Amino acid sequence: KAGVTQTPRYLIKTRGQQVTLSCSPISGHRSVSWYQQTPGQGLQFLFEYFSETQRNKGNFPGRFSGRQFSNSRSEMNVSTLELGDSALYLCASSLVPGFYNEQFFGPGTRLTVL
Amino acid sequence: QQQVKQSPQSLIVQKGGISIINCAYENTAFDYFPWYQQFPGKGPALLIAIRPDVSEKKEGRFTISFNKSAKQFSLHIMDSQPGDSATYFCAVAQGGSEKLVFGKGTKLTVNP
Repeated sequence: KAGVTQTPRYLIKTRGQQVTLSCSPISGHRSVSWYQQTPGQGLQFLFEYFSETQRNKGNFPGRFSGRQFSNSRSEMNVSTLELGDSALYLCASSLVPGFYNEQFFGPGTRLTVL
Repeated sequence: QQQVKQSPQSLIVQKGGISIINCAYENTAFDYFPWYQQFPGKGPALLIAIRPDVSEKKEGRFTISFNKSAKQFSLHIMDSQPGDSATYFCAVAQGGSEKLVFGKGTKLTVNP
């Protein structure tokens, strides 16, 4: 069974631009969560989606948004990029939320903002 | 406010030794305590997890010890191997939520 797929793997943008990251969950998984990983702040929860609905949101500004499609694939968008948005963005999928099912992480998208 | 405090930041152990990583949390509502392992260039992977109704869980060389009254839990890696060299993260969650709150991580190096 294929794992969580994230595209692109690497991305370089300049300040002020916007970016869209994509996540394909494991087949059959319907819950998708996003995390930001930086050396300073560590792993921080961004948001969680299930059945195309955002169930939970972390403490990030409104420039960070996401969505989930009917096939469970998810995208996250960051508008008006800032230097501090440089990070590894991780997507995790699980069967369904609410039962502490194992979350499987993808390899991440490394975003560099210049 | 850091909800989960993890220590140490880094740990060097000889092959065959015991690695111990500790985490402390504040919110007694947390009811799920997983440990994740992350290798460079990879996403975190679930290693072992515990619920607060048990004080210890063992899977192979990995053991979680949980102290509910002290609000602490720890990961013990027995017979540590060079292949265990990675960054380890503790995390907490509550109410069945997919939202994991992570510790800052511990970089483990196991020398041959």
